[in-house]
Amino acid sequence: DARVTQTPRHKVTEMGQEVTMRCQPILGHNTVFWYRQTMMQGLELLAYFRNRAPLDDSGMPKDRFSAEMPDATLATLKIQPSEPRDSAVYFCASGLRLDRPTGELFFGEGSRLTVL
Amino acid sequence: AQSVTQPDIHITVSEGASLELRCNYSYGATPYLFWYVQSPGQGLQLLLKYFSGDTLVQGIKGFEAEFKRSQSSFNLRKPSVHWSDAAEYFCAVGGGGADGLTFGKGTHLIIQP
Repeated sequence: DARVTQTPRHKVTEMGQEVTMRCQPILGHNTVFWYRQTMMQGLELLAYFRNRAPLDDSGMPKDRFSAEMPDATLATLKIQPSEPRDSAVYFCASGLRLDRPTGELFFGEGSRLTVL
Repeated sequence: AQSVTQPDIHITVSEGASLELRCNYSYGATPYLFWYVQSPGQGLQLLLKYFSGDTLVQGIKGFEAEFKRSQSSFNLRKPSVHWSDAAEYFCAVGGGGADGLTFGKGTHLIIQP
């Protein structure tokens, strides 16, 4: 059963520490998204990649967040330094042919980050 | 800019009763519309989507949604809810989803026995 895998599922860290979240998209999917979910803002698009190339990261705070896709099986989202306001659930999603009716976006179970 | 409004933050429905969750969107072109469900501690699962054609869309778990262009709405319905339907429901809009989706804030569905 193909699924998007995210690690860690839960992370508690102290302000100022570096946090790296990882995502393994479904094999063969060429588009990968990072979303952040908070009570106040809901689901926000942070960044996305197609065929490993970054297409849009305008939703990310540039000074502390970075997203990369070193290979087709791994996407990373890094926060350095982390701040309490970064506390949220971070979702990775992957898909293929999303501009067609047959396309579908699959979400991972999320990484819950708490910054103290 | 595209946006999605889900006017109801919480909805409580008795088990076996019918359900309608509201969604209004703003989008500059022909919208592609989606409904997702999120159970506690889980990711989002696609219920149904509208790309074109028939404005009444059937989805999984007995859900359906109707696209009404004149009202900029895409309301989700189910004729008889089950306790397992208790979850968070998100409406989303995009240009096919290829460039990311814009989500509403969600509606929390509570099922009363």
